[in-house]
Amino acid sequence: EPEVTQTPSHQVTQMGQEVILRCVPISNHLYFYWYRQILGQKVEFLVSFYNNEISEKSEIFDDQFSVERPDGSNFTLKIRSTKLEDSAMYFCASSERGRVNEQYFGPGTRLTVT
Amino acid sequence: QKEVEQDPGPLSVPEGAIVSLNCTYSNSAFQYFMWYRQYSRKGPELLMYTYSSGNKEDGRFTAQVDKSSKYISLFIRDSQPSDSATYLCAMTLNNAGNMLTFGGGTRLMVKP
Repeated sequence: EPEVTQTPSHQVTQMGQEVILRCVPISNHLYFYWYRQILGQKVEFLVSFYNNEISEKSEIFDDQFSVERPDGSNFTLKIRSTKLEDSAMYFCASSERGRVNEQYFGPGTRLTVT
Repeated sequence: QKEVEQDPGPLSVPEGAIVSLNCTYSNSAFQYFMWYRQYSRKGPELLMYTYSSGNKEDGRFTAQVDKSSKYISLFIRDSQPSDSATYLCAMTLNNAGNMLTFGGGTRLMVKP
């Protein structure tokens, strides 16, 4: 069964450093998303992406964040200057045309900012 | 008022019991309703997806949506120890961004 994959599974970085989180969505999916989950809290929407453009973004997704689809398979989330409060699980998700609300999540990247 | 609320639990039931999990929400514009299962430190796994009001059944799982009450439910029949997980409800408007709004999750423990 096709699935969303994410790398790395765990990333440790120092405050102020840039990190790039990588995702490979399900191959025939056209809609891509990033969510995050701070330990013990709700899963929160960050951004949605379709046709090489951001469709929607939350208040969390400020100028420190950016997304990119650098090739036909990868989807990345970049945090330019990490803060302690960016420590969380980051989940990538994807959905297909005609079933856009059925979002399939990857296993997540645990980001720890020290 | 929080947009989507769930009782965090934990809910502990014996194997074979019928489990009822619920969410309430405040935004009447939500149109699509999902249930996800999340095992500890894993990604959410889509279980059920319902549009508007009504029931939907898939194996041991039944999802119900009552838009007039802003209340959704997930029923699990013949619960198994492998069903032990956190169950998240999520919902979305029918718009271009497809942003999911999640509840905080209910932790379920099914004891053998």
